Amino acid sequence: NAGVTQTPKFRILKIGQSMTLQCTQDMNHNYMYWYRQDPGMGLKLIYYSVGAGITDKGEVPNGYNVSRSTTEDFPLRLELAAPSQTSVYFCASSYDRGRSSYNEQFFGPGTRLTVL
Amino acid sequence: GEDVEQSLFLSVREGDSSVINCTYTDSSSTYLYWYKQEPGAGLQLLTYIFSNMDMKQDQRLTVLLNKKDKHLSLRIADTQTGDSAIYFCAETLGSSNTGKLIFGQGTTLQVKP
Repeated sequence: NAGVTQTPKFRILKIGQSMTLQCTQDMNHNYMYWYRQDPGMGLKLIYYSVGAGITDKGEVPNGYNVSRSTTEDFPLRLELAAPSQTSVYFCASSYDRGRSSYNEQFFGPGTRLTVL
Repeated sequence: GEDVEQSLFLSVREGDSSVINCTYTDSSSTYLYWYKQEPGAGLQLLTYIFSNMDMKQDQRLTVLLNKKDKHLSLRIADTQTGDSAIYFCAETLGSSNTGKLIFGQGTTLQVKP
């Protein structure tokens, strides 16, 4: 199993450009998440999905969009990139073990995005 | 809203114990977690504790939970240079299990040889 893979690893965007960050998992997890990590700020949840066709906003969704057409893929779209979106982006996935069980999230290696 | 707070930095000598502390706000969290992030990598689950437990031990790791004070700690015994990393405390968001987590800012652990 490759686990959670993310592409690209690095990207530099100009203000106003758009791009899609790719995320794929091969563990048949139903839950998937996108986070951003800013220095000294921990991780903030952007969007999450509990299954194909179902997505919902996290803490910081503005400026981003997601889709979940398959169980494996959960791309994150940035429209009109802004310097405030400079960050490291992590995709994660987990398996629904039910309400009474713990939920281990598996993280990809991250995408480092700079908007100039 | 819900918040998780951690101190930002801890430095210890190899062989000493490390204690990383965390406070959280959501008293309905069912599970609390410790994740580890090594340089240039994503986070990995280190350990977790169910909210009705006071303590959990796993080899060199001891997790203590004080629900009254909403305080969580991670103790690493016989700290090694390979333990140098950023450690994140996280709480589940409410009692549901959508898997949504609130993370602290992370504590950078520096282990000096």
